[in-house]
Order: sequence, then C-alpha cells, then structure tokens
Amino acid sequence: QQQVKQSPQSLIVQKGGISIINCAYENTAFDYFPWYQQFPGKGPALLIAIRPDVSEKKEGRFTISFNKSAKQFSLHIMDSQPGDSATYFCAATYFGNEKLTFGTGTRLTIIP
Amino acid sequence: NAGVTQTPKFQVLKTGQSMTLQCAQDMNHEYMSWYRQDPGMGLRLIHYSVGAGITDQGEVPNGYNVSRSTTEDFPLRLLSAAPSQTSVYFCASSDGQGVFSDEQFFGPGTRLTVL
Repeated sequence: QQQVKQSPQSLIVQKGGISIINCAYENTAFDYFPWYQQFPGKGPALLIAIRPDVSEKKEGRFTISFNKSAKQFSLHIMDSQPGDSATYFCAATYFGNEKLTFGTGTRLTIIP
Repeated sequence: NAGVTQTPKFQVLKTGQSMTLQCAQDMNHEYMSWYRQDPGMGLRLIHYSVGAGITDQGEVPNGYNVSRSTTEDFPLRLLSAAPSQTSVYFCASSDGQGVFSDEQFFGPGTRLTVL
C-alpha cells in the first residue's frame, strides 16, 4: 500500500523557472516530512524537511509548503538551475516509528 | 569520515547464487537500514536495525537476511538470488533518533543484476 503518493513522475522546467513537486499522504500520524535529492549514480541526500507545526519552510531556493488539512505537501524550487537536475523523493514518518515511507520519486530536468 | 560505504558497487549473479552486500559507517550511528530502489517504486525498506544485536523487517524483507554484530557494520545477505531481486540497493544510517532525525545518510549504492 502506497502511503505517500508523489507527482509528477517526471518534470521538465526551463532554467530560471519554478519547479513544483507534490506529495499526498494517508496516515494522519505522520509528523515529519523530509525531501531527498538524488543525483545519477549517487545515494539520496537530505535536502530539506518540515514538521507540521509550520505551513512553510524555506532554505535558499528550496521551499516546502505543507497543508495539514489536505494531507499534502510540496517542494518548490525557485530560479531552477541545470544543477538542480536530479530525482527528488518525498518521505514521511512519525516520532517513534522506525520506518521512513518514500514517495515514488520525480525526475527533474532543467533545460537551458 | 568516510560516511556510509557499500561494497561492491556492481554485481552480477546467476539465479540461485548467494552473496552478501556490505555496508559500513564510521559515524557511530545506532540506526542502519537497507533499501532497494526500483523504477517507479521509489525506495522500499528491506530491513533495519536500531542498534547492535537488534534487527527488524521492513516493507519487502522476503529473500533477504541481515545481522548487526557491531555498530559499524550491517551486511545484507541474499541466500538464493532471484531475477526479482535485480535492483539498486542502498544502505543508510542515522543517529539514535532513527528516521525521525534530520541526519539520514545514504551510501553510494550497489547495482545488482540477477540473471
């Protein structure tokens, strides 16, 4: 059972544009939502994470928006650059749960 | 610090063969885990460990065994490889807060092909 649904599967954005990746979850117990970035041939690496006590978290060009009532969260990449081309995974868990549930991933390509 | 290391990088097996994927970390992390990554499936948890001597099953444990005799090492064993186990395998570690921590570190992966 896929508890975290991620869309789109792939995304092409022009350089300087805004990239938006969406995730929806089912388990209302989830209270920690990280995003991981993976470059080809590498392991995923934590990019940014949010807990539901805030509706938005920003780190540089990367922003997580969180909508608790809709059980959705999204990653926004402002001023997208070719170096942002990677696969992005959303994930979710809750305190005391030793398992991280990942979305299916979004392959992002930034074109000049 | 080397972080999380995995060996081998690539491996080709025949159906029925056995092998061990090695994972080691030098950050003194208590929590370690194994994931497999398949196209369109994301990362799925195979097994995890919250400390030496303690292991538990994840989402897709069938066909895999693990043990955790030291804090540093967490090998993944395939007892009788099957084509369905063709995948990229990632090992990860984090501090004592487990996956709830902001510090989940992944290794570079092992690409396994089973013929």
